[in-house]
Amino acid sequence: DADVTQTPRNRITKTGKRIMLECSQTKGHDRMYWYRQDPGLGLRLIYYSFDVKDINKGEISDGYSVSRQAQAKFSLSLESAIPNQTALYFCATSPGSFQETQYFGPGTRLLVL
Amino acid sequence: EDKVVQSPLSLVVHEGDTVTLNCSYEVTNFRSLLWYKQEKKAPTFLFMLTSSGIEKKSGRLSSILDKKELFSILNITATQTGDSAVYLCAVELGNEKLTFGTGTRLTIIP
Repeated sequence: DADVTQTPRNRITKTGKRIMLECSQTKGHDRMYWYRQDPGLGLRLIYYSFDVKDINKGEISDGYSVSRQAQAKFSLSLESAIPNQTALYFCATSPGSFQETQYFGPGTRLLVL
Repeated sequence: EDKVVQSPLSLVVHEGDTVTLNCSYEVTNFRSLLWYKQEKKAPTFLFMLTSSGIEKKSGRLSSILDKKELFSILNITATQTGDSAVYLCAVELGNEKLTFGTGTRLTIIP
C-alpha cells in the first residue's frame, strides 16, 4: 500500500465550484505539504503544516485553504475554482528530522473549465 | 528571493551517453540540496547533499555539491531509456521548506 495517498487522482470542474483535494499518509510524519506543478514552473508550495495545530502559507496560497484534520490527513480546498488553478497537485510528508527527504503522493490532476 | 535554477531545461541524448545536469541556487539559510527524478507521477528521491565536495553515488548516478560556488551537478553515466524523466533540484531552507527549480527534461533515444 502507498504511504501517501491522494484523492481524487483526476478531477474536472467548472469555474466557481468548490473543490477539495485530500491527502492521507501512513508514515506517521508530522509535517505535511501541498504543492502545485505547472509546466515550466516546477513545484511551488501552497501550504504546509508542521503539526495538527500549525498551518502556514507557502508562496502561492491565494485562492486556496487547507485543513489538517488529523496527523495523517491534510486537505486542500479551492473555494471558488478558476481556470488558472488547472495544474498537477502534490501532497508531501516528512518527519522533519535532518537528513530526511519529503515523500510525495501520486498527485491529483485538476482541470478547471 | 530564494531562487533555484536548473540547466539545461531539456536534453536529448543517445543511449549509452553520459549526461551532466546542473543546479545553481541563491537562497538564505541553506540547509541541504536534493535531487528528485520525476517520471509520469510523483517525484522520487535520489540524493540529499549537505556537505561540499562529497560525492554521493547510486549505481550510474552521482551528485556533488559546491557550497562555495552555490551549485550542484547530477551525473548519469551509460544512460538507458529508463533514465528518461524530469530531474528536479530542490534546496531545503532552514525553515524546512523546499524551493524547487523548474527541472531538466532528459530524453534518452534508443
